Amino acid sequence: QKEVEQNSGPLSVPEGAIASLNCTYSDRGSQSFFWYRQYSGKSPELIMSIYSNGDKEDGRFTAQLNKASQYVSLLIRDSQPSDSATYLCAGSPFGGNQFYFGTGTSLTVIP
Amino acid sequence: DTGVSQNPRHKITKRGQNVTFRCDPISEHNRLYWYRQTLGQGPEFLTYFQNEAQLEKSRLLSDRFSAERPKGSFSTLEIQRTEQGDSAMYLCASSTWTRNTDTQYFGPGTRLTVL
Repeated sequence: QKEVEQNSGPLSVPEGAIASLNCTYSDRGSQSFFWYRQYSGKSPELIMSIYSNGDKEDGRFTAQLNKASQYVSLLIRDSQPSDSATYLCAGSPFGGNQFYFGTGTSLTVIP
Repeated sequence: DTGVSQNPRHKITKRGQNVTFRCDPISEHNRLYWYRQTLGQGPEFLTYFQNEAQLEKSRLLSDRFSAERPKGSFSTLEIQRTEQGDSAMYLCASSTWTRNTDTQYFGPGTRLTVL
């Protein structure tokens, strides 16, 4: 069983819509969670981190964590074509010795 | 640019040759990670250093792979007797433990092609 699972997509949304990306994890010891964006041929770049239950907002991005249900989500409001990329979810146990990445969800924002 | 650099950016080699990659982390970061990523997959953890100590190594990692971080600054990843299955993007990330969490910043990666 993979530590972190994501729906690989592809997910398509029209420009200006809300994109919703989901991730589940199996290790209850995971404490910190991260969303990375990866453009084709590039390395992952950090969007947000979250380690407390609830919502965390940063600009157009909102991360949600529910430890009881073991899921993490990322909402992108007012989606732009430049948001088209693969979004990676990652989890880490306390201490951060290992990070487990999902396979990523491909998002396309249609102008 | 995250401040993490990797060299070379691309490497083409023949099967059976040895290759070595270098990662220079953000200077104040004491943690360094190596990952491997193939097409359509997320980064796969290979190994982790805290300062010069290698504290974690993936159980799936072949003994052909070795990594060092001799002075707690830059790190090298060596693959001996390369195989075609080693073709991938090799990513380095650095971080520091801050406010009970550890946020990683990735370098641009080294793309390895084994012929």
